[in-house]
Amino acid sequence: SSELTQDPAVSVALGQTVRLTCQGDSLRHYYASWYQQRPGQAPVLVFYGEKNRPSGIPDRFSASSSGNTSYLTITGAQAEDEAEYSCNSRDNSGNRLDVLFGGGTKLTVL
Amino acid sequence: QVQLQESGPGLVKPSQTLSLSCTVSGGSISSGSYSWSWIRQPAGKGLQWIGRVYTSGTPNYNPSLKSRATISVDRSNNHLSLKLSSVTAADTAVYYCAREAYGSGTYGRGLNWFDPWGQGTLVTVSS
Repeated sequence: SSELTQDPAVSVALGQTVRLTCQGDSLRHYYASWYQQRPGQAPVLVFYGEKNRPSGIPDRFSASSSGNTSYLTITGAQAEDEAEYSCNSRDNSGNRLDVLFGGGTKLTVL
Repeated sequence: QVQLQESGPGLVKPSQTLSLSCTVSGGSISSGSYSWSWIRQPAGKGLQWIGRVYTSGTPNYNPSLKSRATISVDRSNNHLSLKLSSVTAADTAVYYCAREAYGSGTYGRGLNWFDPWGQGTLVTVSS
C-alpha cells in the first residue's frame, strides 16, 4: 500500500534515548527522510538517507532501517527535541503518488 | 543560503481558485538538480504533498487532488506558483513550498528530501 505509518505519540525521559518508527512498503526500496516540526513552525530536515545529517543538526540524531521500517533515533533527548517528527519517502506502488509522508509522531520529553 | 517565502490571500471563498506564490532568494531556482514542491498541512494533521515542478517546467501532481492543482515556475523572477481550483473547506491548510533534492545510497536505493522549506502560509476556505 502507498502509505507511511508512524506512531501518533511517543514520550521519552530527559537524557534518555528514543527511537521513532516509520513503516511502509516503499521503505523496502527507498530511504526515508525525517523532519522536525515545532508548533507554529515549518518542518526542518533533521536526517535523510543512510547517514546524512544536515549542517546544524546535533549528532544525537541518527537514522537506520530494516525491511519496511525506518527509524529515527535521538540519543540523549533534550527538552528542545520535543516536537512533531514526520518521515517521507518516494512511492513505488505504481499509484503515481510519488511522494509519501507519514502522519507524524508527537514526541514529548518528560 | 536559499530561502523560500510563500505569499497569497489568506482567505478564499468556496468554489474559487486558490493562488499562491513562492519566492526563492539566495540562489537561482534553475541551479542544481532540484525540483520545487508545494506541500500542505491541515490543522492538527500530517503533511500532504500537492505536487512539484522541475526547472524545465514539467509538473507532477498528487492524483488525489483530481487535476485541480497547477504548479508552474517562473525562472526569470525566481518564483513558483500554485493554483488550486474549485476549493472547499477541506482545502483549508497551511501551505508550504520546499525545494526537493534527490540521491541514492547502497545498491542504488533511492532517496528524496525537502530542504529548505518556506515558513508556510495559512489559507482558509470560507464564505
